[in-house]
Amino acid sequence: GQQLNQSPQSMFIQEGEDVSMNCTSSSIFNTWLWYKQDPGEGPVLLIALYKAGELTSNGRLTAQFGITRKDSFLNISASIPSDVGIYFCAGPKSGSARQLTFGSGTQLTVLP
Amino acid sequence: EAGVVQSPRYKIIEKKQPVAFWCNPISGHNTLYWYRQNLGQGPELLIRYENEEAVDDSQLPKDRFSAERLKGVDSTLKIQPAELGDSAVYLCASSPSPGNEQFFGPGTRLTVL
Repeated sequence: GQQLNQSPQSMFIQEGEDVSMNCTSSSIFNTWLWYKQDPGEGPVLLIALYKAGELTSNGRLTAQFGITRKDSFLNISASIPSDVGIYFCAGPKSGSARQLTFGSGTQLTVLP
Repeated sequence: EAGVVQSPRYKIIEKKQPVAFWCNPISGHNTLYWYRQNLGQGPELLIRYENEEAVDDSQLPKDRFSAERLKGVDSTLKIQPAELGDSAVYLCASSPSPGNEQFFGPGTRLTVL
């Protein structure tokens, strides 16, 4: 079935550094979503991408929809302590646009 | 405006016991989702409701799991009997309509001993 592979699985960075993480799939996706999950909370949508090649920003976050439609990248610039959390990519399952497939997440730790 | 409300936040039970989770979606949201999130994984859909109708329950283990959404508002997810492998976070989400952004609740963390 469709699987989303996220890398890296975890990251430890210093406050102020930039971060990059990605998500790949063997299948084509028409939409890419990036979520953040804080400890003890549900995921919150950060950025939605709808077109191949699209580059979208949300504050210090920038995400790109890969040209092949099989990958997406999320960058965080000038990281701060509240960026700590798990970042998930997600996309609609083929054959069911209303059902999302989630990656396994990238755990981000920001060191002071 | 209140977000998605779930209760309880934590539940510890022994295997073979029943357990129920409750979700109150955002007011006016017709679509409601139940997800299960295993440790170190992303959420996986169990069931989706459009108003009171379950329209996608292919991933729900129907031998022990059941769900209902009476009157198309609140929803309850039940497990009977619980097994050790059911330990996970159960997330509820809602959206105004299918395909719109999903808003997640804080989840119920279930531990089965």
